[in-house]
Amino acid sequence: QSVLTQPPSVSAAPGQTVTISCSGSSSNIANNYVSWYQHLPGTAPKLLIYDDNKRFSGIPDRFSGSKSGTSATLGITGIQTGDEADYYCGTWDTSLTVVVFGGGTKLTVL
Amino acid sequence: EVQLVESGGGLVQPGGSLTLSCAASGFAFSNYWMHWVRRAPGKGLVWVSRIKGDGININYADSVRGRFTISRDNAKNTVYLQMTSLRAEDTAVYYCGRDLHIAAADYWGQGTLVTVSS
Repeated sequence: QSVLTQPPSVSAAPGQTVTISCSGSSSNIANNYVSWYQHLPGTAPKLLIYDDNKRFSGIPDRFSGSKSGTSATLGITGIQTGDEADYYCGTWDTSLTVVVFGGGTKLTVL
Repeated sequence: EVQLVESGGGLVQPGGSLTLSCAASGFAFSNYWMHWVRRAPGKGLVWVSRIKGDGININYADSVRGRFTISRDNAKNTVYLQMTSLRAEDTAVYYCGRDLHIAAADYWGQGTLVTVSS
């Protein structure tokens, strides 16, 4: 069981918008920066968002991050078939003194 | 160009040991925390460990603490993950990553597969 909770799956048609939630607690999300990754098994993880809402170099502005209290959200607009992947949130947990990831959300493009 | 190349994966029996390496290039290696994460077949991405540039500050996930040891050789621009008392549930692709800021890692290797099976 992951410390951060994400929906197992989301789906959207090309061109639509999707949001992926990440729920935590005061010991992690509420008081530490959140990052978001895109990952396909067998490939290198790809950093999308860091420090809650900063896009990493080369990441299109279709991807956005936000945070409120103990929850964070990844938004993807103008969904493309190439966006089909697993998405993970991550942050530092001050109580556990470890990096924690969500369980991952599989995005399916219909 | 930042490059990270993992090596050392393979097939090992339960209870066995293996040491993974991650060779870095294209940046001032000693200035960066480095991470190891893994992804087991059919499972999600899981953080394993991290080590500060000085090699002194280290953190481990509960699932590997006491069995895995992270270290680095800044002269060789390499970070290591020594794994002992391996279990079937340690079977995964292991990735090393360069820390950008706290829990965010900006560059990753392609991974190395560790299979624990008799």
